[in-house]
Amino acid sequence: EAGVAQSPRYKIIEKRQSVAFWCNPISGHATLYWYQQILGQGPKLLIQFQNNGVVDDSQLPKDRFSAERLKGVDSTLKIQPAKLEDSAVYLCASSFLDMRTGELFFGEGSRLTVL
Amino acid sequence: EDQVTQSPEALRLQEGESSSLNCSYTVSGLRGLFWYRQDPGKGPEFLFTLYSAGEEKEKERLKATLTKKESFLHITAPKPEDSATYLCAVRGFQKLVFGTGTRLLVSP
Repeated sequence: EAGVAQSPRYKIIEKRQSVAFWCNPISGHATLYWYQQILGQGPKLLIQFQNNGVVDDSQLPKDRFSAERLKGVDSTLKIQPAKLEDSAVYLCASSFLDMRTGELFFGEGSRLTVL
Repeated sequence: EDQVTQSPEALRLQEGESSSLNCSYTVSGLRGLFWYRQDPGKGPEFLFTLYSAGEEKEKERLKATLTKKESFLHITAPKPEDSATYLCAVRGFQKLVFGTGTRLLVSP
């Protein structure tokens, strides 16, 4: 079974530039999550999708971050404009249902460095 | 607000030296406590789910236990390949909240 795919794995940009990350979840998984993991910290939920709809985006900095999930499959997370504090690993995860078992499947992440 | 605190931040063990990692939590209406393993440069990998006090789960050299206020991840006779960061997370009525993890290094 193919895992969660993310790209790019690494990205270096200047502050105030924009960046986009892509995620392809495990086939059949209805729920998709984007997490931000700053070095030395645990993952922090940015946004959760259930199929096409947003379930939770309470911690998404909406003035600069946006995310969409087209046709309930792939998802894109965009940052515009980026700030130094956005340097982190952006993890995409998926689950079959609404995570009742707690088993999220994570991708390898996209590491962003903002200079 | 739901909170998770993990200790110690880092732990260095000799191969075969058993120990425990701690996860203390405060949550409104626990719907599950989860343990994940994260290797450098990788995403977290699910290990266990615990739902109620007194519950235990085992997998190879790992055993997770749960009380009303904390969970322990016991590592028996660890091997170098057990070196990783171990993350604890809780789910209450809202989102899954992760702790900052315990970095475990097992030396041969």
